[in-house]
Amino acid sequence: SQQGEEDPQALSIQEGENATMNCSYKTSINNLQWYRQNSGRGLVHLILIRSNEREKHSGRLRVTLDTSKKSSSLLITASRAADTASYFCATDAGFQKLVFGTGTRLLVSP
Amino acid sequence: GAVVSQHPSRVICKSGTSVKIECRSLDFQATTMFWYRQFPKQSLMLMATSNEGSKATYEQGVEKDKFLINHASLTLSTLTVTSAHPEDSSFYICSARDRGRDRGIGKQYFGPGTRLTVT
Repeated sequence: SQQGEEDPQALSIQEGENATMNCSYKTSINNLQWYRQNSGRGLVHLILIRSNEREKHSGRLRVTLDTSKKSSSLLITASRAADTASYFCATDAGFQKLVFGTGTRLLVSP
Repeated sequence: GAVVSQHPSRVICKSGTSVKIECRSLDFQATTMFWYRQFPKQSLMLMATSNEGSKATYEQGVEKDKFLINHASLTLSTLTVTSAHPEDSSFYICSARDRGRDRGIGKQYFGPGTRLTVT
């Protein structure tokens, strides 16, 4: 399977703490994207990082990409209860389609 | 902008019947749409890529005759689950690329999903 792997599978933290999720993938990519999914809903695009970028920020989100290690991380700073969701990385290898990672279920407790 | 809708949001059907799920891009033209399947607490698995005006491209292991995809216009793709069985029960999600602003980046906009339960 070409599916990427994410760790941890589940993460439970308190409000105000930072949450870090890691993604590893298997093929060369054009870009890597992070998505968020609330329970039973569709996906919301969070951030896209191109293969020639190493770090990107968007509000409380920070994404890093290490193409030599085929890995990426998503950091959510000062987490809130509303950040509770599943987070997926997805790689675009240039064939139009995205390959999703296994996902991290984040629970932020008030 | 870039809103994708799905209909229905939930459907329960009896084994042996067929179910059609619609995916629409509401405010943009989507020459390419994608259909995913998601089991509980699992990731999305791409089933097929739907191109407007041509046959869908199915991923390995996905039965073409079981999951019929039609992308008849630039804003509508349909997935028909034929002769549904309980094992087809799942969450089906579509997505679309906005070719007009895509610039080759590959960002996809996702519908809210359809929960199919086959009894």
